Amino acid sequence: DAKTTQPTSMDCAEGRAANLPCNHSTISGNEYVYWYRQIHSQGPQYIIHGLKNNETNEMASLIITEDRKSSTLILPHATLRDTAVYYCIEKNAGGTSYGKLTFGQGTILTVHP
Amino acid sequence: DGGITQSPKYLFRKEGQNVTLSCEQNLNHDAMYWYRQDPGQGLRLIYYSQIVNDFQKGDIAEGYSVSREKKESFPLTVTSAQKNPTAFYLCASAKQGTRNQPQHFGDGTRLSIL
Repeated sequence: DAKTTQPTSMDCAEGRAANLPCNHSTISGNEYVYWYRQIHSQGPQYIIHGLKNNETNEMASLIITEDRKSSTLILPHATLRDTAVYYCIEKNAGGTSYGKLTFGQGTILTVHP
Repeated sequence: DGGITQSPKYLFRKEGQNVTLSCEQNLNHDAMYWYRQDPGQGLRLIYYSQIVNDFQKGDIAEGYSVSREKKESFPLTVTSAQKNPTAFYLCASAKQGTRNQPQHFGDGTRLSIL
């Protein structure tokens, strides 16, 4: 079962920043936080991941709290095409993990004109 | 362009019939995965393969079979033993050998029962 908690839905105005929160209070030291999104009837799209430092790429920024119990995905200038279900996932990078991704219910982000 | 190609996009199965879903990647990834997604649900792992000629069962392997004869290909067969096959099937791949490589997904195959 998913170990992260996300709001069910959020709205954002086009052109504004979308800030999507995620709680992962039971995350262990070797688990990364991954973010994916899924547009209806398409496969999930990888966005970003991080361990404890903040990360930024061409799609988004990831802010992880110092205690690592929560994080925020930031889409700096949301567009209508960013409307999707966003998933926050814990993934164990080491040991005997075979890399299974456990998707929860995610957050439905709706970007309005 | 590099990516993961799943085919067909839509597939219909008759009762008692086996069907095979194709997944091909040209990303030179070692690991490949099959997931199933039901409406309003998260993904569940069916099978995965970390190297050619080797694969392992995931959480819901019953009624499914796979092969990994080539690095770029990981077909999934939904057998007649799978009693509830209607779902959205997603294939993913990832690099191996370095920590934490993200999985990249294809656009899925939607399987329905006639």
